[in-house]
Amino acid sequence: GAVVSQHPSWVICKSGTSVKIECRSLDFQATTMFWYRQFPKQSLMLMATSNEGSKATYEQGVEKDKFLINHASLTLSTLTVTSAHPEDSSFYICSARAGRVATEAFFGQGTRLTVV
Amino acid sequence: QKEVEQNSGPLSVPEGAIASLNCTYSDRGSQSFFWYRQYSGKSPELIMSIYSNGDKEDGRFTAQLNKASQYVSLLIRDSQPSDSATYLCAVTRSNFGNEKLTFGTGTRLTIIP
Repeated sequence: GAVVSQHPSWVICKSGTSVKIECRSLDFQATTMFWYRQFPKQSLMLMATSNEGSKATYEQGVEKDKFLINHASLTLSTLTVTSAHPEDSSFYICSARAGRVATEAFFGQGTRLTVV
Repeated sequence: QKEVEQNSGPLSVPEGAIASLNCTYSDRGSQSFFWYRQYSGKSPELIMSIYSNGDKEDGRFTAQLNKASQYVSLLIRDSQPSDSATYLCAVTRSNFGNEKLTFGTGTRLTIIP
């Protein structure tokens, strides 16, 4: 299957600081990437859809000014958690569907964010 | 009614037996269906996709789709302890890359040695 690489795999930051998470499609071009958040023992929650060259589409209840998404190229999307607080501690995962007429979605390895 | 429903489990199955996982969906316009496996602390991994009614087999895994009943299932034959994980069912309305997948909450499967 297609490869999606996410970095970093884990990060600890101080409350009030910002953290950037990168998501790269390594062997295909992804015009769209998806960002999810997952709390322990809970299901995936879609946060936003990242579109190359345009603004991201955020799900209801997700603060777009807090979770900044940039999709600058066909292989890279970034999620920046601004002014992080302990309640933002979670597992963040990106995903991309391979190709324009695509089928399966492939996931990055995930980033475990801990805000202290 | 949730868009994609799964029994949260836990589902316990003896090693070597068949594990049966079920999923129902509410959107009749759904076109593509996927099963993902997620180990604790890891991201989901695609194990099966199915697009038309009937069965699709891949090794020990068989996906079954019945669009009339809005039902999709996953059978795991000869279950192994390494199959212990949470299984996520996902559906989407189209095969276009910008169409999001809708996930169920997952079924936790435990294979008992």
